[in-house]
Amino acid sequence: QKEVEQDPGPLSVPEGAIVSLNCTYSNSAFQYFMWYRQYSRKGPELLMYTYSSGNKEDGRFTAQVDKSSKYISLFIRDSQPSDSATYLCAMNSNYQLIWGAGTKLIIKP
Amino acid sequence: DVKVTQSSRYLVKRTGEKVFLECVQDMDHENMFWYRQDPGLGLRLIYFSYDVKMKEKGDIPEGYSVSREKKERFSLILESASTNQTSMYLCASSLESRYQETQYFGPGTRLLVL
Repeated sequence: QKEVEQDPGPLSVPEGAIVSLNCTYSNSAFQYFMWYRQYSRKGPELLMYTYSSGNKEDGRFTAQVDKSSKYISLFIRDSQPSDSATYLCAMNSNYQLIWGAGTKLIIKP
Repeated sequence: DVKVTQSSRYLVKRTGEKVFLECVQDMDHENMFWYRQDPGLGLRLIYFSYDVKMKEKGDIPEGYSVSREKKERFSLILESASTNQTSMYLCASSLESRYQETQYFGPGTRLLVL
């Protein structure tokens, strides 16, 4: 079993929809949880990070961590075609990140 | 803005060739990383370095070596390329070794080994 599980998709939704992207993990020692976005033919870039449980909001994006269920989510409101990308979750308890496989998201105009 | 550059965007090599992938960062970051990215497997850490001339094995170091002679430059070496090393290679850097530090990525090198 992988330490971090993430559905690779693709996930295709119409423009304006609310998108939910998720990861589950097995290591209860993870403390920092991150979402990276990767556009085609580019390297990943940090989108959001949270520490411990709870929600964090940044514009149309909300990151949610449920440590009791070992489950993290990224919500995108009012999705735009420019949000089409691969979204990778990452988490760690030391300086090494453990990555999900990434979910390919397609927003249809 | 942090900039991480990689020497090539695309490379085609033959089995058995020695391959050098170079990465340069311009923000005086302490840590540098080499990953490979394969569909369905996400990013897997090959090697990382937390200081000049220092290196640590990641999860999949077999068949690879690295060199960090200067702080800004981190090279990945495939001593004898094999077809199973066909992949996207991503270099990253981060300021410090604290666990929440953001990693900044280069654009990647897509390597095809024939």
